[in-house]
Amino acid sequence: DAEITQSPRHKITETGRQVTLACHQTWNHNNMFWYRQDLGHGLRLIHYSYGVQDTNKGEVSDGYSVSRSNTEDLPLTLESAASSQTSVYFCASSPRTSGHNEQFFGPGTRLTVL
Amino acid sequence: RKEVEQDPGPFNVPEGATVAFNCTYSNSASQSFFWYRQDCRKEPKLLMSVYSSGNEDGRFTAQLNRASQYISLLIRDSKLSDSATYLCVGGYTASKLTFGTGTRLQVTL
Repeated sequence: DAEITQSPRHKITETGRQVTLACHQTWNHNNMFWYRQDLGHGLRLIHYSYGVQDTNKGEVSDGYSVSRSNTEDLPLTLESAASSQTSVYFCASSPRTSGHNEQFFGPGTRLTVL
Repeated sequence: RKEVEQDPGPFNVPEGATVAFNCTYSNSASQSFFWYRQDCRKEPKLLMSVYSSGNEDGRFTAQLNRASQYISLLIRDSKLSDSATYLCVGGYTASKLTFGTGTRLQVTL
């Protein structure tokens, strides 16, 4: 069955380290998204991509970057991890950019920055 | 003002009860609306889309009121397994799906 996976599921790192979170989907969706979820804030969009070589900033993109070299993967990189980036990160994908453009989520990565 | 606002709850209801959640949105250009369900420490899962004419899926009914800019979710005959956080989502492009912070539902015996 087609799916969306994230790895690692849990990560503990130190302040200042570079961290990359992986997201892989087998639905062949063009649109992929990264969110973070924190208490009191709901899901906030970090970066998104509408296709290969396309990346865009979301509302909380500072300190994060993404790259899209193929349809299946959108890795999220924290250039220099900060304690404020401790959060749960969700990757999502969507087959459409308009109309009922529902998104489907991966299982999440729980990141702790010490 | 948040783009999508929900009562955080919790809503504590007995099994078999009917419960309704409302959600307001501020962007009048919003075209797509959804309800997602999120269980503790897990990913959000699409519960249902919300159509202008209203729609029903089993025990769940979703409605959209564009004039007042709110959407609602009605759950009939609540089950213990309905206990979760329900996220209201609005948007007009794939990049602008805006999630509410969620309403927590606890169904009890």
